[in-house]
Parts: sequence; structure tokens; C-alpha cells
Amino acid sequence: GAGVSQTPSNKVTEKGKYVELRCDPISGHTALYWYRQSLGQGPEFLIYFQGTGAADDSGLPNDRFFAVRPEGSVSTLKIQRTERGDSAVYLCASSLMSGTSGKDTQYFGPGTRLTVL
Amino acid sequence: DQQVKQNSPSLSVQEGRISILNCDYTNSMFDYFLWYKKYPAEGPTFLISISSIKDKNEDGRFTVFLNKSAKHLSLHIVPSQPGDSAVYFCAASTFLTGKLIFGQGTTLQVKP
Repeated sequence: GAGVSQTPSNKVTEKGKYVELRCDPISGHTALYWYRQSLGQGPEFLIYFQGTGAADDSGLPNDRFFAVRPEGSVSTLKIQRTERGDSAVYLCASSLMSGTSGKDTQYFGPGTRLTVL
Repeated sequence: DQQVKQNSPSLSVQEGRISILNCDYTNSMFDYFLWYKKYPAEGPTFLISISSIKDKNEDGRFTVFLNKSAKHLSLHIVPSQPGDSAVYFCAASTFLTGKLIFGQGTTLQVKP
């Protein structure tokens, strides 16, 4: 079956602009995660959804970042007033079960590379 | 505060030999540990995991060892193959949350 897909694969924007990054999880996966990976670092947790609700958004760096998953499937990560420091690869992952035990394998998409000029 | 650390940024081994990748953690609440492999321009791919109630888990050429007293885990790849060349990330999570805490990664190069 299809894996996790993310669009766009690359996004170049100017400082101060608004961007939206989309994630299509594996069909039937109830949990969806967003991570951010900066150069030379491991992925850093941003937010996780169980169904339509954000179960843990403790990793969002500030209120310029927001994510939604209105129908419990596709999710959109929204970044307002982008800054150069937001440049990174944004990764989405999904897992079959709730993920609260940490024992449900997370499958990652290829990521969206965001560059803020 | 880096809760999961991979202190070796890179490792080079000869094909057929053993590769050993190391990972240390500081949070004693972590109860599940995973290794992911990442090729350029792709997302991380799950490799192998281990629960804190075990000290070893094996899957084919890959074995993960967990030493809870030392807060240390390692991934052994035997025998190493050129296709294993990638960045390897160690990750950890706790019972109450699904979020993964990743190390910085180790780039493995397996030479033919």
C-alpha cells in the first residue's frame, strides 16, 4: 500500500510569508506526528494527533506554528510570519494505533524541505 | 538538554565486518527504544526496537542491546553490507506519550 506522502517536497519562501505543509498518512492510521529536522540533527518532535485532536503539542516552538487534522486523516502544518530559523526538513509520520504506549511503529514520509530566504 | 545522544557522528567499516552504533540516554522514564535508518532525500525507516523489559532483540543481521543501568543501547549489524550505508538514528519514548526523542544520528559507511 501507499506510504506516508508529503507535499510539497520543497518549498522556498520569503521571510514573513505564510506557508502550509501537507501530510497524507497511511490509510487507517489513527495517530499522526510532525517532526522537524535541522541540518546535522535528529528529528525534533513538534505535535501529535490522535484522530482529529492534538494529543500533545508541546514541541511547537511558538504560536506562529499551528497544525490541524480536521477529518482525522490529512494534516496541515501552518507556519505564519516565517523566519530564516524555520528553515528545515519537516517530517510527518503516522502509526496504526494511538501511539500512547510508544510501541506503535511510526512510518515516516519523505519530508518537506522548507527554505526561508 | 539532549536526552538521547549519539556521540559518534560517523563510522566506517569494511564489508562483512561488524558495525556497532552506540546511543546513550539520560531520562530513566524512557521505556521503549528504536533505531531508524535514513537515506538521503528519504524519511527515516524503522529498523528495530526494544522494550525496557528486555536486554536484547534480534532481527536477521540486526541486534539491539539495552543496558538500563548504564542507560546505553547499541545496534550491531553483522555482517555489514554496502547497502547499509546510511544515517542511523536512535530514538526513545515513554509509556505515556507517542512522541519519539531522537539522537543526532551516526553516518555509517560500509566499504566494499
